[in-house]
Amino acid sequence: SQTIHQWPATLVQPVGSPLSLECTVEGTSNPNLYWYRQAAGRGLQLLFYSVGIGQISSEVPQNLSASRPQDRQFILSSKKLLLSDSGFYLCAWTHSSGVGAFFGQGTRLTVV
Amino acid sequence: AQKVTQAQTEISVVEKEDVTLDCVYETRDTTYYLFWYKQPPSGELVFLIRRNSFDEQNEISGRYSWNFQKSTSSFNFTITASQVVDSAVYFCALSEVLTGNQFYFGTGTSLTVIP
Repeated sequence: SQTIHQWPATLVQPVGSPLSLECTVEGTSNPNLYWYRQAAGRGLQLLFYSVGIGQISSEVPQNLSASRPQDRQFILSSKKLLLSDSGFYLCAWTHSSGVGAFFGQGTRLTVV
Repeated sequence: AQKVTQAQTEISVVEKEDVTLDCVYETRDTTYYLFWYKQPPSGELVFLIRRNSFDEQNEISGRYSWNFQKSTSSFNFTITASQVVDSAVYFCALSEVLTGNQFYFGTGTSLTVIP
């Protein structure tokens, strides 16, 4: 069966510090991978979307970047965090057949 | 333009009442999928249902039912006899074959069931 791992679950970082959130998928190959952000009390905002290794689509200009060094690994990064980067970050994968999106457990990031 | 619209931002109902969450979508694709997800306070998104664009049969699963109408581009979700455990944010989503099955989420509806 397919599983998705996302870590860490919670993170408190000072303004100006770097960020690296990692997401890995097991049990499938060539998944579509996503990073979403959810600000407190708000909906899901698509940040990045990847259909393959090294292929990243950015949906919203921001202080963040994403990379996909391996087929089932998706990394969200920042060189210098801002207060506005605080939020709940969700990694997700979908199969190219579109049968559903499966989410990691999320990372609650607080920038202080 | 928003591909998935959930016009209801917040809904409160008293326990045992029925409640319907609205979802309207927009697509030019003839083959697509529609979904509902539940996000409890823990934050994790839980898959509830998937419908493909060729199957307009309504579906019932326990207290949950879904009404898919292509004529109005709607995929509404009804909870019958609501319970406190139903309190969560519910997201409707669309996946289009034309865009490589990229997911589009609505902004979510926050449901509070009052005991």
